[in-house]
Amino acid sequence: EAGVTQSPTHLIKTRGQQATLRCSPISGHTSVYWYQQALGLGLQFLLWYDEGEERNRGNFPPRFSGRQFPNYSSELNVNALELEDSALYLCASRIMDLGGSGANVLTFGAGSRLTVL
Amino acid sequence: AQKITQTQPGMFVQEKEAVTLDCTYDTSDPSYGLFWYKQPSSGEMIFLIYQGSYDQQNATEGRYSLNFQKARKSANLVISASQLGDSAMYFCAMRDVIQGAQKLVFGQGTRLTINP
Repeated sequence: EAGVTQSPTHLIKTRGQQATLRCSPISGHTSVYWYQQALGLGLQFLLWYDEGEERNRGNFPPRFSGRQFPNYSSELNVNALELEDSALYLCASRIMDLGGSGANVLTFGAGSRLTVL
Repeated sequence: AQKITQTQPGMFVQEKEAVTLDCTYDTSDPSYGLFWYKQPSSGEMIFLIYQGSYDQQNATEGRYSLNFQKARKSANLVISASQLGDSAMYFCAMRDVIQGAQKLVFGQGTRLTINP
């Protein structure tokens, strides 16, 4: 089965521009997560989408936004880019386990590396 | 809120030796889950092993095992017979279920280098 796919692999933008990153989850997975990993740092939670709705967001400004489409794929948009937005953006998916039991393992894509000049 | 602490920024180990990567956590939730992920230089996060707070035995997956000490709030990853391909960043994570969020909170990671 195909894993989580992300595009583009690399993206170079300048300050003030907008960036759009895309993610296709594993078939059957309804839940999509976005994380930011700045150079040398851990993963910071950005957004969680499930069944087309934003369920939770991390401590990021409103210029970080996104959406989830009916086929469960997702977009992350970053407006008014700043130098510190340069990072690896990781998308992950999982089956939404309403029972709350089990591992609920997140499966990650290879990421999109955004460079802001 | 959940918090994960990894105190080893980097570790260097000889090939074929066992290595232990430390992870401590803090939570007030009696039910929780702990995860370890590996991140090679390619960037993709690879799931290694999971431990539930109510699991009676320490989790094992091939060469990976989890030394779970609940009272000490630690969940150390043990890699037996290390290989050159084990060189990567390793992240400990905890499931955060506060406010209905089913997300993972990650530690800062440990960079493991296996020397031939």
